[in-house]
Amino acid sequence: DAKTTQPNSMESNEEEPVHLPCNHSTISGTDYIHWYRQLPSQGPEYVIHGLTSNVNNRMASLAIAEDRKSSTLILHRATLRDAAVYYCILRAMEYGNKLVFGAGTILRVKS
Amino acid sequence: GAGVSQSPSNKVTEKGKDVELRCDPISGHTALYWYRQSLGQGLEFLIYFQGNSAPDKSGLPSDRFSAERTGGSVSTLTIQRTQQEDSAVYLCASSKGQGQGTYEQYFGPGTRLTVT
Repeated sequence: DAKTTQPNSMESNEEEPVHLPCNHSTISGTDYIHWYRQLPSQGPEYVIHGLTSNVNNRMASLAIAEDRKSSTLILHRATLRDAAVYYCILRAMEYGNKLVFGAGTILRVKS
Repeated sequence: GAGVSQSPSNKVTEKGKDVELRCDPISGHTALYWYRQSLGQGLEFLIYFQGNSAPDKSGLPSDRFSAERTGGSVSTLTIQRTQQEDSAVYLCASSKGQGQGTYEQYFGPGTRLTVT
């Protein structure tokens, strides 16, 4: 079962980097690691995804461990607008094309 | 460009009534998904459409729930004989295609359904 484990909540100061961890020890070789976030009262929003190599985009960076059993979403400078629930999701063959959401990490950003 | 739109944004209905929720995906997106989010249950997958293929209905919680997608674009989720446990936010998403690794899903703002 392609499951992920994330901390229930984290807190960050505005303008500082945030590292959101995710464990996925049962990941298989074809599973992609996706991150979505959900701002209050909105639908989820795609953030980033990767397979083996670290990835960067305009929103964040994704660091993937060499053994792929864990990954970290990095927000380089947190803003108040980044306060959201962050979901680490494995896109696995067994799930087909659907997203399987866990509880995610609630990120609070302090000004 | 225009994102995924859903209507209505809010719907209050009496127990036992039928409701229809609408989703307009992003133009050109061939894949369409329905999820729902309820307190204490998190986000759960309901149904998935891809082109002309048979839909993946594996997440529909009961036979009171059905969905269709006409002309490969607009989709309607129908809940018959609504129950209070159907109260939730119903989210629609679309993506450019299938392939679990490469296509991100774009979500609409959701329809908040309240069954009284």
